[in-house]
Amino acid sequence: DIQMTQSPSSLPASLGERVTISCRASQGISNNLNWYQQKPDGTIKPLIYYTSNLQSGVPSRFSGSGSGTDYSLTISSLEPEDFAMYYCQQDASFPPTFGGGTKLELK
Amino acid sequence: QVQLQQSGAELVKPGSSVKISCKASGYTFTSYDMHWIKQQPGNGLEWIGWIYPGNGNTKYNQKFNGKATLTADKSSSTAYMQLSSLTSEDSAVYFCAREDLKYWGQGVMVTVSS
Repeated sequence: DIQMTQSPSSLPASLGERVTISCRASQGISNNLNWYQQKPDGTIKPLIYYTSNLQSGVPSRFSGSGSGTDYSLTISSLEPEDFAMYYCQQDASFPPTFGGGTKLELK
Repeated sequence: QVQLQQSGAELVKPGSSVKISCKASGYTFTSYDMHWIKQQPGNGLEWIGWIYPGNGNTKYNQKFNGKATLTADKSSSTAYMQLSSLTSEDSAVYFCAREDLKYWGQGVMVTVSS
């Protein structure tokens, strides 16, 4: 299975701050990388698919980039509703695998 | 609008089985795979497998072979996952999600305890 490593595991940040979450795959995944947000109530929301494509309704302050084994999610200016868990996920090969998550916390 | 409504929380005994459901609405149930994902407390997410309700074809993460059984009822647009021989390691929240992963259920907490 492809291992996905996210960093940092915890990210304290302030409102309005720009933050970046990294995700590294154990082998190349050819941009088959998705990002999800999980709120404290457990609700999972897809944010980005195929590295850099925003899902419908996702604010433009979210962006994704990367290639090969290294990918990132950037939030340009944090809003109160952005404080949550974030997961990357590869679907280049079966089984799809997730990163361990990054908890974005209010500083 | 697309909705995936999962069944309620379960408290089950070790060694037993449990069957949880995911009722789909707002789209053609038989046209999309239904995926199942496990989330243990404090842990990340694991893919269990998926079922194509159109013909019942399934694909499992090898790790869950023999543990999870996926089925679907076209008449009620409901997907099911049965978990067998339950242990404490099966205590988790289980999500269903449509094939494109745009839509997720709210999750079902399964607690295995004597």
